[in-house]
Amino acid sequence: DAGVIQSPRHEVTEMGQEVTLRCKPISGHDYLFWYRQTMMRGLELLIYFNNNVPIDDSGMPEDRFSAKMPNASFSTLKIQPSEPRDSAVYFCASSLGSENSPLHFGNGTRLTVT
Amino acid sequence: AQSVSQHNHHVILSEAASLELGCNYSYGGTVNLFWYVQYPGQHLQLLLKYFSGDPLVKGIKGFEAEFIKSKFSFNLRKPSVQWSDTAEYFCAVTTNAGKSTFGDGTTLTVKP
Repeated sequence: DAGVIQSPRHEVTEMGQEVTLRCKPISGHDYLFWYRQTMMRGLELLIYFNNNVPIDDSGMPEDRFSAKMPNASFSTLKIQPSEPRDSAVYFCASSLGSENSPLHFGNGTRLTVT
Repeated sequence: AQSVSQHNHHVILSEAASLELGCNYSYGGTVNLFWYVQYPGQHLQLLLKYFSGDPLVKGIKGFEAEFIKSKFSFNLRKPSVQWSDTAEYFCAVTTNAGKSTFGDGTTLTVKP
């Protein structure tokens, strides 16, 4: 299996632009998570899905952030409009089942908003 | 809501020294516990996990962790670290709702 695939690996954009991050989970995994990692805040859970349905989006910082999972093999995290404070590494992770299963992380997208 | 606390933000050791990284969690129900490692420039990878049975679990690369329910702790240990263990280590708790919460991470630097 190719693992969790995220794209792009790096994104540099100007403040105010829309940013879309993409994730392909491991085939068969029914949970998908979006995390943000920064030096200041560490690893923060933004939102997670179970069977394509958002379960908990309480970590989404504000309305500028939105996430979708239109099918079992694809998810997007969108920031519109982007701001410099959104600069971080965004990780997508997937798991099979729930509490007993470890998360499998993608390589992350390093976002820089200037 | 659950929370995870890692006491050490940065640990510096010489090769062959013993390692213990602290992790405490707060949650009233059943939890499953994990340690992940993030090598420089890479994504997080599973080091070991506990969800039932023997509270002393062994993971990859000689790491082990002990679950002490009465102390809400899940400390990571390794008898003798190597330079290649330099990385950031994250403790995580997953509840039966499927939500994983991570600690702030501990950066381990091993001097050759």
